[in-house]
Amino acid sequence: SQQGEEDPQALSIQEGENATMNCSYKTSINNLQWYRQNSGRGLVHLILIRSNEREKHSGRLRVTLDTSKKSSSLLITASRAADTASYFCATDSFIGTYKYIFGTGTRLKVLA
Amino acid sequence: DVKVTQSSRYLVKRTGEKVFLECVQDMDHENMFWYRQDPGLGLRLIYFSYDVKMKEKGDIPEGYSVSREKKERFSLILESASTNQTSMYLCASSPRDSNQPQHFGDGTRLSIL
Repeated sequence: SQQGEEDPQALSIQEGENATMNCSYKTSINNLQWYRQNSGRGLVHLILIRSNEREKHSGRLRVTLDTSKKSSSLLITASRAADTASYFCATDSFIGTYKYIFGTGTRLKVLA
Repeated sequence: DVKVTQSSRYLVKRTGEKVFLECVQDMDHENMFWYRQDPGLGLRLIYFSYDVKMKEKGDIPEGYSVSREKKERFSLILESASTNQTSMYLCASSPRDSNQPQHFGDGTRLSIL
């Protein structure tokens, strides 16, 4: 079963708008990570947030984590056409393991 | 810069063939992973290794085996390829610390005819 489930499955916005993607998970985690995948390529790590953190920023990215609701969100501000990609959250299947479980992803399309 | 290299971007094989997918990382990472990615199913873990000669089954190991004879190299083997193994295969590596991200190769798109 999938640990991380992203929502929505697909998102289409205009350049300059903000994009928000959500991830829900089922069990306790040590950390949660967000990755981007351009079409036909491997995944690229964006940001890692630990279970004792509530918010983290990296450039135009803002990630929040609510462990009480077992959910996280990724906000991309002032989106660009180059942000068009699939975005995945990944959670460790139990604390301290090397094994991560990826969701099915959100496909983001930014229209110029 | 961190680098995970998969031997082929595209590969076409026939049913019943033995197929080897190779992955090499240059970051001295302890952990290495093989995933397959299918539309609507996301990434599913096939096998992972946390040290040389060590391997652990992931969620979908059936029909696959792995080999890790050297720290930098992790091979995925399809013993007798079948059409349902047509997929995108992604290799990743990470340090032993579970609070570190995984680094991915560009993937191998494998077609079994």
